[in-house]
Amino acid sequence: KAGVTQTPRYLIKTRGQQVTLSCSPISGHRSVSWYQQTPGQGLQFLFEYFSETQRNKGNFPGRFSGRQFSNSRSEMNVSTLELGDSALYLCASSFGGAGANVLTFGAGSRLTVL
Amino acid sequence: QKEVEQNSGPLSVPEGAIASLNCTYSDRGSQSFFWYRQYSGKSPELIMSIYSNGDKEDGRFTAQLNKASQYVSLLIRDSQPSDSATYLCAVNIEGGADGLTFGKGTHLIIQP
Repeated sequence: KAGVTQTPRYLIKTRGQQVTLSCSPISGHRSVSWYQQTPGQGLQFLFEYFSETQRNKGNFPGRFSGRQFSNSRSEMNVSTLELGDSALYLCASSFGGAGANVLTFGAGSRLTVL
Repeated sequence: QKEVEQNSGPLSVPEGAIASLNCTYSDRGSQSFFWYRQYSGKSPELIMSIYSNGDKEDGRFTAQLNKASQYVSLLIRDSQPSDSATYLCAVNIEGGADGLTFGKGTHLIIQP
């Protein structure tokens, strides 16, 4: 079955712009989580969506937002980009039910802010 | 604040030997523990999950959990050059609001 699909894979933006990243989860998975990965901070949790509702949120500024659609696809948006937003943005999906959920990651979207 | 600590390495192990990767975590409420492998330029992929104290074996991989010591480890037997990667430890609190908390990873190098 198809894995987690993220688009675009690479993008370059300039400071002050905004960006939207897309994630299509594995079929049947209802939870989508987003993580930011940088060399200095490692993988950091952004937010999780389940059934179109944000269920959890990490410690990131309000410039980072997301949403989930009825087909479980998710988008995240970063507004007013800063140089420090350059990172690999990873989306992960899971079934999202009660109990521990195993995350399957997509290939990531690598954002460079100039 | 939850913290997950790993030695960043690099950890160099000869081919065929046992690689031992360690992880400590700060939150006693942590209930689920995961090891992910990440090759350079790729996304993390799940290697092992463990939820109760003791050992869990899967092929060449063994995860060990000691909740009293807040310690989780991953052993790789008969290490192969293809095992060279960064290994990420992750923990989760059941019902927690923070998603998985990842360590910064240990860079493992298997020397042929």
